[in-house]
Amino acid sequence: GAVVSQHPSRVICKSGTSVKIECRSLDFQATTMFWYRQFPKQSLMLMATSNEGSKATYEQGVEKDKFLINHASLTLSTLTVTSAHPEDSSFYICSARNRYRDRATEAFFGQGTRLTVV
Amino acid sequence: AQSVTQLGSHVSVSEGALVLLRCNYSSSVPPYLFWYVQYPNQGLQLLLKYTSAATLVKGINGFEAEFKKSETSFHLTKPSAHMSDAAEYFCAVISFTGNQFYFGTGTSLTVIP
Repeated sequence: GAVVSQHPSRVICKSGTSVKIECRSLDFQATTMFWYRQFPKQSLMLMATSNEGSKATYEQGVEKDKFLINHASLTLSTLTVTSAHPEDSSFYICSARNRYRDRATEAFFGQGTRLTVV
Repeated sequence: AQSVTQLGSHVSVSEGALVLLRCNYSSSVPPYLFWYVQYPNQGLQLLLKYTSAATLVKGINGFEAEFKKSETSFHLTKPSAHMSDAAEYFCAVISFTGNQFYFGTGTSLTVIP
């Protein structure tokens, strides 16, 4: 399957600082990127969907000014958590898909980023 | 609208026993369904997918799933559980536009030695 690389895998930051998470598709064109947040022992909560070159579409309740998503190229999307607070500590996962392919094409997932805000 | 429901948030089986993880779907259009597995502190890995071809789908690691339209189900099975199967399993359906995945709440599989 296709490879999606997410970096960093773990990050610890101080409260009030910003953290950037990168998601790269290594061997296919990721026209669509999804960003998820996952709490312990829970399912994935979709935060936003972004199509390359367009503004991200945020899910209800997700602050777009706090979680900045950039999808400027077909291989890279970034999630920046601005002015992070301890409640932002979580596991963040990106996934990528080529929306111009068949509808049956699956999404490929990054390895996830464990964010801890202290 | 599409959605999936996973019955049983936790399933425990003995090593060597049958694994059965349940997933029921709701879809107004012919669904495309997926099973993903997640190991601790990792992303999701595709196990198998149903795309309206064969109703019995074989995936990686000995897993398979059968699409049953009459029961709106897509249950995941494996004849003999292995310790390495212990993980979180997610069923998902893709939207009609193909631009969004809807995940179930997940089932945590424990394999008892």
